[in-house]
Amino acid sequence: EPEVTQTPSHQVTQMGQEVILRCVPISNHLYFYWYRQILGQKVEFLVSFYNNEISEKSEIFDDQFSVERPDGSNFTLKIRSTKLEDSAMYFCASSEVGGGADTQYFGPGTRLTVL
Amino acid sequence: AQRVTQPEKLLSVFKGAPVELKCNYSYSGSPELFWYVQYSRQRLQLLLRHISRESIKGFTADLNKGETSFHLKKPFAQEEDSAMYYCALTPSGAGSYQLTFGKGTKLSVIP
Repeated sequence: EPEVTQTPSHQVTQMGQEVILRCVPISNHLYFYWYRQILGQKVEFLVSFYNNEISEKSEIFDDQFSVERPDGSNFTLKIRSTKLEDSAMYFCASSEVGGGADTQYFGPGTRLTVL
Repeated sequence: AQRVTQPEKLLSVFKGAPVELKCNYSYSGSPELFWYVQYSRQRLQLLLRHISRESIKGFTADLNKGETSFHLKKPFAQEEDSAMYYCALTPSGAGSYQLTFGKGTKLSVIP
C-alpha cells in the first residue's frame, strides 16, 4: 500500500539556521499539507498546497515558512531562520482530492529540535 | 473558528469493557468529523469518519449536532486498541480542507 514518506526522521539544528523538511506524497494525490505538533500539544495545521500554490495557511505559517514542490514527487517545508519554539514534530499529509470527506494520509513525521 | 475538545487526556479500561472516547466540537457551519488513531511508533491514520457511517475495528461514532459531539465507542475493548486517539474536524463546503484536531486521548486497555 502506498505511503507518505518523510525525511529526515529527526533533525537537530541551531537557532537561526535554515532547515528543509522533505516529504514524498502518495503518487496520485493532488493535495498536500503540513501540520506540526509541539510536544504535549495538539496537532496544528500549517499549510495546504494544490496545483503548485498555497491554497490555505494558518497564522502559524508566517514569512519564516515556505513550501515548494521542486519536482514531480517531493514536497518541502523550509524554515528560514529557526527559533527555539519551532521545535516540534512536523507531519506531511496528502489527499487524492480536496474536500472535507476526503482522507488525508499522514507521513511518519520529522522531529525537529532547535538548540 | 472551529475547535475540537477531547476532555480526557488518558482513559484506562479493562479488556472486554466498553469504551467511550469523548469529543465535542465548536463550529458555526456543518462540519465533517473524523477519528484518527496513532498506535505506538506508527503514523496517524484515519480510523473512521462520520460521513461513511461505518464501523472500523468495532468502533463507531455518531454525530450529534444538538450536543455538538462525536463520541467514539466500542462495546468490548481489546488490548490492541491501546493507542492515541484524535478527534478532528474540517469545515464542509467552505473550501477549507484543513483538519482541526483535539488534543487527543490516550486509551490504555488493561489485560
